[in-house]
Amino acid sequence: EPEVTQTPSHQVTQMGQEVILRCVPISNHLYFYWYRQILGQKVEFLVSFYNNEISEKSEIFDDQFSVERPDGSNFTLKIRSTKLEDSAMYFCASMSVASKFFGPGTRLTVL
Amino acid sequence: QKEVEQDPGPLSVPEGAIVSLNCTYSNSAFQYFMWYRQYSRKGPELLMYTYSSGNKEDGRFTAQVDKSSKYISLFIRDSQPSDSATYLCAMTVSQGAQKLVFGQGTRLTINP
Repeated sequence: EPEVTQTPSHQVTQMGQEVILRCVPISNHLYFYWYRQILGQKVEFLVSFYNNEISEKSEIFDDQFSVERPDGSNFTLKIRSTKLEDSAMYFCASMSVASKFFGPGTRLTVL
Repeated sequence: QKEVEQDPGPLSVPEGAIVSLNCTYSNSAFQYFMWYRQYSRKGPELLMYTYSSGNKEDGRFTAQVDKSSKYISLFIRDSQPSDSATYLCAMTVSQGAQKLVFGQGTRLTINP
């Protein structure tokens, strides 16, 4: 069964460093998303991406964040200068028509 | 008032019991409703997807939507220890690129 994959599973970084989280969505899907979940809190929407551009972003998705689909398979989230409060699970998701499928997540720890 | 409210639990029931999980919402523009299951430190896994008011059944799971009351439910029949997880309700205004708004999640434990 096709699935969304994410790498790395766990990323530890120092505050102020740049990180890139990678995702491979399901191959025939057209819509791509990033969500995050701070420990013990709700899953929160960050950004949606369709037709090679951002279609919607939340207040959390400020200038420190960017997304890219550099080739036909990968979808990345970059955080330019990480803060302590960026520590969370980051989930990539993809969708074809209606149902959204999530990846296993990347645990980001900012020290 | 929060957009989506869900009792975080925890909820603990014996194996074989019928489980009822609920969410309320305030935004009447929500039209699509989902239930996700999330095991510890894993991504949400789609269980049920509904659009119209009424019931939708899939095996031991039944999703119920009451748009007039802004209330959705997930029922699990003949609950199993493997059903122990956090259950998240989620909803969106329309299909396409629209974001999902999640509830807090209800942590469920099924005791053998």
